[in-house]
Amino acid sequence: AQKVTQAQTEISVVEKEDVTLDCVYETRDTTYYLFWYKQPPSGELVFLIRRNSFDEQNEISGRYSWNFQKSTSSFNFTITASQVVDSAVYFCALSEENTDKLIFGTGTRLQVFP
Amino acid sequence: DAMVIQNPRYQVTQFGKPVTLSCSQTLNHNVMYWYQQKSSQAPKLLFHYYDKDFNNEADTPDNFQSRRPNTSFCFLDIRSPGLGDAAMYLCATAPGGLAKNIQYFGAGTRLSVL
Repeated sequence: AQKVTQAQTEISVVEKEDVTLDCVYETRDTTYYLFWYKQPPSGELVFLIRRNSFDEQNEISGRYSWNFQKSTSSFNFTITASQVVDSAVYFCALSEENTDKLIFGTGTRLQVFP
Repeated sequence: DAMVIQNPRYQVTQFGKPVTLSCSQTLNHNVMYWYQQKSSQAPKLLFHYYDKDFNNEADTPDNFQSRRPNTSFCFLDIRSPGLGDAAMYLCATAPGGLAKNIQYFGAGTRLSVL
């Protein structure tokens, strides 16, 4: 059965600290897609990244980086030098082949204090 | 400019009084989704349209209905809101019914039921 687990319910850091948000997924499909979304207090889910199951290359975008490891079924997200504006709930999600639905994890609330 | 627009941002209704939430998009996407998100939970898919084809989730209560009169607009009707229906309602769009497609979300409508 498909499932996304974000074990960290809430993380608090001080500005400029690095922080890693964990995501573990379960699927029987060989083709699937993984996503990260950010939900700031305003409510809108903002797309951050998409990864397909055949591309295990890590990605860096500014202060954001993602580590995809199929061997451990994980797709972790790291924010380097965190800022107050990074405070939000972050959702990891899975989409399996032959479906257009997202399976969301329960989210991790990140609070960055000045 | 916002590409997925939800109105209103905040809606207050009375117990049992029908309410309609609206979503419009300028992306010309085929697929439109409605999610319900309760406090500190992941978004839960209620239903979605692929063009005019309606796809209801098995556990979506009959109290929730939807209409899509054209590509740009989609409505969520709650026929008899209960206290348990108080939540954030999120609309999302995607260009097609593929697993890889990114879903683009609106800012949501926060519904209160008195």
